[in-house]
Amino acid sequence: DGGITQSPKYLFRKEGQNVTLSCEQNLNHDAMYWYRQDPGQGLRLIYYSQIVNDFQKGDIAEGYSVSREKKESFPLTVTSAQKNPTAFYLCASSSRYLGQDTEAFFGQGTRLTVV
Amino acid sequence: GDSVTQMEGPVTLSEEAFLTINCTYTATGYPSLFWYVQYPGEGLQLLLKATKADDKGSNKGFEATYRKETTSFHLEKGSVQVSDSAVYFCALSKGGSEKLVFGKGTKLTVNP
Repeated sequence: DGGITQSPKYLFRKEGQNVTLSCEQNLNHDAMYWYRQDPGQGLRLIYYSQIVNDFQKGDIAEGYSVSREKKESFPLTVTSAQKNPTAFYLCASSSRYLGQDTEAFFGQGTRLTVV
Repeated sequence: GDSVTQMEGPVTLSEEAFLTINCTYTATGYPSLFWYVQYPGEGLQLLLKATKADDKGSNKGFEATYRKETTSFHLEKGSVQVSDSAVYFCALSKGGSEKLVFGKGTKLTVNP
C-alpha cells in the first residue's frame, strides 16, 4: 500500500541532544513537508522540499534541519538549538507544489518529548 | 498574510445530533479550501475539499460549501456518530503556494 511512514512513533530526547525523525513515502511525490503540532495551535510549517536536493525554510525553521537526498525520504533533525522541541511532528507529501487542487497526504506522526 | 479562523472547541455532542464547525478565511486571490480530520494519535486525513466559489465538498456525510461572499467554509453533518470523535482542521492553499494554512483545529467528542 502506498503511503507515508514516520518513525519512531514516540521519541524521547535528553537536553542538548540532536535527534532525527524519519519520513519515507512510496507515493512517488515530488513535494514533502514537515509540520509541528502543538495543543491549541494547529499546524505550523517547519521545512518543505519540492524536489530532491532542494528544500526551503517554513515559518518556524529555527533549531531544525532537513535533507532531501532521495525522492522518497525527508528526515528532520531537531537540534539542541530548538529550545522547546516537545511536540507532535507530522510529515506530509503531495504530488506537486500545493495549489488549487492538490491534496497533501500525512504520516502518522512522531511524538517527541524532552526528558 | 493568509489565515484561517475556526470556532473554538471543544465541541461535545450526543450521537445523532447536528454538527456545525465554523471556518472563515482571509486570503488574497482564489484559494482552495479543505477540511482535514485527525483521529486520536494519528496523522491528518483529507475529509473534503472545494476549489472554487459555490463548490460543495462532501464525504462520509460531512458537507461544506465554499462561500466567497462570506469567506466561509463551514463543516456540517446531519447526524454525528461516536466514531466521528476527532479533531477537525480547516485549511487553505493557493496556486503557487508552498504550504497549507491551517486553522487551530476543533476537537469534537460525540457521546453515545
